[in-house]
Amino acid sequence: KAGVTQTPRYLIKTRGQQVTLSCSPISGHRSVSWYQQTPGQGLQFLFEYFSETQRNKGNFPGRFSGRQFSNSRSEMNVSTLELGDSALYLCASSQDRSTDTQYFGPGTRLTVL
Amino acid sequence: EDQVTQSPEALRLQEGESSSLNCSYTVSGLRGLFWYRQDPGKGPEFLFTLYSAGEEKEKERLKATLTKKESFLHITAPKPEDSATYLCAVQVPYSGAGSYQLTFGKGTKLSVIP
Repeated sequence: KAGVTQTPRYLIKTRGQQVTLSCSPISGHRSVSWYQQTPGQGLQFLFEYFSETQRNKGNFPGRFSGRQFSNSRSEMNVSTLELGDSALYLCASSQDRSTDTQYFGPGTRLTVL
Repeated sequence: EDQVTQSPEALRLQEGESSSLNCSYTVSGLRGLFWYRQDPGKGPEFLFTLYSAGEEKEKERLKATLTKKESFLHITAPKPEDSATYLCAVQVPYSGAGSYQLTFGKGTKLSVIP
């Protein structure tokens, strides 16, 4: 069974721009969670989507948003990029809700210049 | 506030030199504790889930144990390919009914020298 896939793998943007990241979960998985990973803060929870609805949200500003489609694929959007948004953005899928084991994708490395 | 602390931050071992990594936590309503392995430039790879104090799980050279306050990841006779960052995460209730989220520690970077 194919794992979690994320596109693009690398992205370079400039301050003020916006960016959209994509995540395809493992086949049959209905929950998708997003995390931001930085050297200083480690892995931090952004939000979880299940059945096309945002279920949980971490402590991030409203510039960070997401959505989930009927096929469980998810996108994450960051508007008005700041230098501090440079990070590895990880998507994880689980079979049902976030109570299940989460399996991570390879991540999207975002660099903001 | 939920806290997860991993120690040491970095660990260098000779090949074959067994050791343990620690994950201590202060959380409300722990549902489960997860261990992941992360290689540079890759996403975390799931290793174990532990749900109750006294539980142990093994996989090859790795064994994870859980108490009420901490978890240990024991590495027996490590090999260079075990070099990675090991992350622990606690699954705790979110504000919604039936909702949980993972709170991660900052990891232990393990280097195994041949």
